[in-house]
Amino acid sequence: EVQLVESGGGLVQPGGSLRLSCTASGFSFSRYWMHWVRQAPGKGPVWVARINSDGTGTMHADSEMGRFDISRDNAKNTLYLQLNSLRAEDTAVYYCARDPLAAGYFDLWGQGTLVTVSS
Amino acid sequence: DIVMTQSPDSLAVSLGERATINCKSSQSVLYSSNNKNYLAWYQQRPGQPPKVLIYWASTRESGVPDRFSGSGSATDFTLTISSLQAEDVAVYYCQQYYNTRPSFGPGTKVEIK
Repeated sequence: EVQLVESGGGLVQPGGSLRLSCTASGFSFSRYWMHWVRQAPGKGPVWVARINSDGTGTMHADSEMGRFDISRDNAKNTLYLQLNSLRAEDTAVYYCARDPLAAGYFDLWGQGTLVTVSS
Repeated sequence: DIVMTQSPDSLAVSLGERATINCKSSQSVLYSSNNKNYLAWYQQRPGQPPKVLIYWASTRESGVPDRFSGSGSATDFTLTISSLQAEDVAVYYCQQYYNTRPSFGPGTKVEIK
């Protein structure tokens, strides 16, 4: 089955860190650009970061101000998002998503992992 | 950054009737070199991730019912559901991918009247 499965979310205190993972199966992971998209409760999706197929090129949203870092391990079919200096406003469901044409839209999404930043 | 807006915020439509959702971008998302509009539409049901319905503004994703259609160009786009079904109750988002930093609209909630 073609799928993406996120993990690593949870409750973290302000200023803390988390590393999210997204494991791909059922398709050739190494061929695709991948993205992270987050969605705060009751709000619309917001793009977070993307990485090209071999991991040599990344881009992040300006709002993250260097706090987040996307990476991948194609040998493990896994995408990562390192979250540092977390703030309450980072509370959201974080989704990984596949980019079918390296164009910037998303044809396959995981179910998401919830990150809650609270003291 | 490209800002996406949508209208209306919500709409209630009777089963079998037409639903129309509008999306506007703060700058053109039409790439002149290939004449493609870098605009996608997603459906999000409660508790589910978004699902792509339309890309390149009017190309239907495989498996999406043909009652869903997309139209428009440059800065103004429309998603039409020609005959609303019960399973179409959801929030619908437009998304531009013209910019290297994609952005989504605020969403339109579709309900049954």
